[in-house]
Amino acid sequence: AQSVTQPDIHITVSEGASLELRCNYSYGATPYLFWYVQSPGQGLQLLLKYFSGDTLVQGIKGFEAEFKRSQSSFNLRKPSVHWSDAAEYFCAVGAQAGTALIFGKGTTLSVSS
Amino acid sequence: DTEVTQTPKHLVMGMTNKKSLKCEQHMGHRAMYWYKQKAKKPPELMFVYSYEKLSINESVPSRFSPECPNSSLLNLHLHALQPEDSALYLCASSTQGQRNEKLFFGSGTQLSVL
Repeated sequence: AQSVTQPDIHITVSEGASLELRCNYSYGATPYLFWYVQSPGQGLQLLLKYFSGDTLVQGIKGFEAEFKRSQSSFNLRKPSVHWSDAAEYFCAVGAQAGTALIFGKGTTLSVSS
Repeated sequence: DTEVTQTPKHLVMGMTNKKSLKCEQHMGHRAMYWYKQKAKKPPELMFVYSYEKLSINESVPSRFSPECPNSSLLNLHLHALQPEDSALYLCASSTQGQRNEKLFFGSGTQLSVL
C-alpha cells in the first residue's frame, strides 16, 4: 500500500538559515509527489510537484525538492528561511487514478528571530 | 479564476441541527473532493466526485451526505453530528481526478459541534 512518512513532527529554524524537511514514500509504481503548505486556519497551497524527468524540482516561494528513488525520498529545501515560512508542511503522494492524495502527517515549521 | 470558494468560513451547530457546507469552483474542473482535517493532523479524504458522480466514499458516517448538483458546485449536508466531528472541512478540485494532478484547495469551513 502506498504511504508517506514525514519523520519530523516539529522543526525550528532561525530566520535566514537553511531548511530541509524530510519525506519518505512507499509506492510500487512511479510516484507522483507533492509538497503542500498550510497556514493556520487556511487551505493547502501547492509548493511543488514531481512527476518525472529532472529529479530537482523548483517550486514557489524559493522552495525546491529533490527526488531520490534509491532512498524513496522527496525532501523539501530552502536556502534561507523567512519568518513568513512558519506553517505546516505536508508531503503527499498521488494514489491510483480516480482517488486523491495521500498525505503525510505533516511537519510544523517554526522560525525564530 | 483559480479559486475554490467555501462557505461559510465558520459554523457552530448543535447535535440536532441540519446544516450544509458549500463549495464552488469555476476552473472547469471535473473532480471535486471533501477532506476532513483535525487540528495538527493531515487532511483525511471523505468523498470524491468525478464528473458529478460519487466515485469515492471513504466509509464516512451517514450523518455526512455529499451532493454535487453540477460540475461547479459541491455540497456537504450535515445532520445529527457529534462533537468529535468538529474539524476543518476542506473542499478541493482537480482537472479530471487523475493521480498526477494538482489539487486546488479552498480555505475551509471551521466546524464546531456543541
